Amino acid sequence: DVVMTQSPLSLPVTLGQPASISCRSSQSVAYSDGNTYLNWFQQRPGQSPRRLIYRVSNRDSGVPDRFSGSGSGTDFTLKISRVEAEDVGVYYCMQGTHWPWTFGQGTKVEIK
Amino acid sequence: EVQLVESGGDFVQPGGSLRLSCAASGFTFSSYWMHWVRQAPGKGLVWVSRINGEGSSTSNADSVRGRFTISRDNAKSTLYLQMNSLRAEDTAVYYCARETHWGPDYWGQGTLVTVSS
Repeated sequence: DVVMTQSPLSLPVTLGQPASISCRSSQSVAYSDGNTYLNWFQQRPGQSPRRLIYRVSNRDSGVPDRFSGSGSGTDFTLKISRVEAEDVGVYYCMQGTHWPWTFGQGTKVEIK
Repeated sequence: EVQLVESGGDFVQPGGSLRLSCAASGFTFSSYWMHWVRQAPGKGLVWVSRINGEGSSTSNADSVRGRFTISRDNAKSTLYLQMNSLRAEDTAVYYCARETHWGPDYWGQGTLVTVSS
């Protein structure tokens, strides 16, 4: 299985400041069709996960533009340009290229 | 509005069985691959099982293969997970999710399965 490794696992941030989460895969998650099926999810406390980003950098409907994704091959990043209070929660990356789908361990974002 | 509503979670003894359901609405259910993903208490997300839109193709994670069966009834817009030979390590919140762009876009609220003696 493809192992997804996130860092950091805990991220204290100041409101209004940027935040960045790294995700690395144990093998390339680029697919032969030219796409890279790397997703990012947000899970607020007590809620179900919500997808923010698909195919590395595409925001899902309704996702604020302060969230952005980048990367290629095995290295990916989720950035929040200016953290708001509602962004508190755990963030997961997930690769959908290889079976089975695999998720990162999660990064807990909290306000300082 | 897309909605996924899971039910069927319960407290069950090791070796027991349970069937989870996920009622879908707000989209053409039969057009989508559907998945089950679970989350043990305080832990991360783990993919469990998937089924194509017609119900003719399925696959399971190694940890549940031979014990769990995914199915669907497109006439009822409902997804199922039959769980047999349950183990303590199956204790988790089980989410159903719709797939788009090779990832789960909409998730249900989850249903808790607790396996304990």
